[in-house]
Amino acid sequence: QLQLQESGPGLVKPSETLSLTCTVSGGSISSNSYYWGWIRQPPGKGLDWIGSIYYTGSTYYNPALKSRVTISVDTSKNQVSLRLDSVTAADTAVYYCAKHFAAAHFDYWGRGTLVTVSS
Amino acid sequence: DIQMTQSPSTLSASVGDRVTITCRASQSISTWLAWYQQRPGEAPKLLIYKASNLQSGVPSRFSGSGSGTEFTLTINSLQPDDFATYYCQQYKSNSPPLTFGGGTKVEIK
Repeated sequence: QLQLQESGPGLVKPSETLSLTCTVSGGSISSNSYYWGWIRQPPGKGLDWIGSIYYTGSTYYNPALKSRVTISVDTSKNQVSLRLDSVTAADTAVYYCAKHFAAAHFDYWGRGTLVTVSS
Repeated sequence: DIQMTQSPSTLSASVGDRVTITCRASQSISTWLAWYQQRPGEAPKLLIYKASNLQSGVPSRFSGSGSGTEFTLTINSLQPDDFATYYCQQYKSNSPPLTFGGGTKVEIK
């Protein structure tokens, strides 16, 4: 059974960089046709897709966040990473990683990790 | 960007009721639509993909229909576990962004 686990600091200061890692177990991150996405959910609000990556390193991002986001993959560690620069309070959210196929639904999700942006 | 609009935003229902949630897309997405259930404090769970395909392990009281710009999620005989928030998501192409509807909260009447 595929499992995804997000990890990283729960508190980030304004203007700094948010960095999270998603560790995949029960399957290979390099499996053909799997994409790995990041989605966030501000407290009490809906879901926003941040971006996705293929194991080859090919990425695509939400244009609204593209200038601040970098998603990368480490196939040797079976991990996907998210970096969000210049954060503000508006970036406070639960951050999820999830698996999908190209242009498809998210069928496996991590449990999510809350990141608060505050001084 | 393709905008997804769900209605209603909140729905009050009783155990055993049949409930219907609507999701409208700002342009045609064929049947490239998924539905998710999210309980408080949990990650979203995939219910339906490609508008009407039931994800493995999801009870058959859940069903989806629609194509183009209008879609519905129906829950037959609402169960206590079904009180949650439901989201639709379009995935017409890999061209970003992948977008979600605003959510429909199903509350106990």
